[in-house]
Amino acid sequence: GAVVSQHPSWVICKSGTSVKIECRSLDFQATTMFWYRQFPKQSLMLMATSNEGSKATYEQGVEKDKFLINHASLTLSTLTVTSAHPEDSSFYICSARGTEWERANYGYTFGSGTRLTVV
Amino acid sequence: AQRVTQPEKLLSVFKGAPVELKCNYSYSGSPELFWYVQYSRQRLQLLLRHISRESIKGFTADLNKGETSFHLKKPFAQEEDSAMYYCALSSSGGSYIPTFGRGTSLIVHP
Repeated sequence: GAVVSQHPSWVICKSGTSVKIECRSLDFQATTMFWYRQFPKQSLMLMATSNEGSKATYEQGVEKDKFLINHASLTLSTLTVTSAHPEDSSFYICSARGTEWERANYGYTFGSGTRLTVV
Repeated sequence: AQRVTQPEKLLSVFKGAPVELKCNYSYSGSPELFWYVQYSRQRLQLLLRHISRESIKGFTADLNKGETSFHLKKPFAQEEDSAMYYCALSSSGGSYIPTFGRGTSLIVHP
């Protein structure tokens, strides 16, 4: 089945530094990538949607200059948290969508998530 | 606007008891609905999709357009069913951006 590899699994960084999170679709072409943020015991909050080769569409309230998303190829999307602060500490999850048939039949494929801790 | 409501944050049952995780949705078009499950320390994975009308791990879910519901049911809960369950709605046409409910934590006691 479809697999999305997300790394790192966890990262600790100092306040003010930047962190890059990668998501790769391993056996399918991810035409669309979704980036979510998940707070403890809460649901997934959609941050942005990116289509390969296009600029990401950010949800209301999400700072596009802070959360830089790049989707340069059909198998790779990255989220860079710039000038991270402790309040950015969270669990970040990517999700990929392939063709319409794959989406309708397999739903969305999720990465394993990245636990970001900013100290 | 599309919305997914899971009224219960936590559902606690004993092994062998029936389980129903509620999901209601709000969407003006024809929705596609999914149930995702997240076991402890694992990634979210697809459990059910409404178009397939299948039973996975004993779970079933029926789309009720009149009541705008997509409740997840299992007649006899097992301990290994303990997990977070998310109901999701995907808009039809266009970008198919999924909307997730807040999730229901199911705990099955021995």
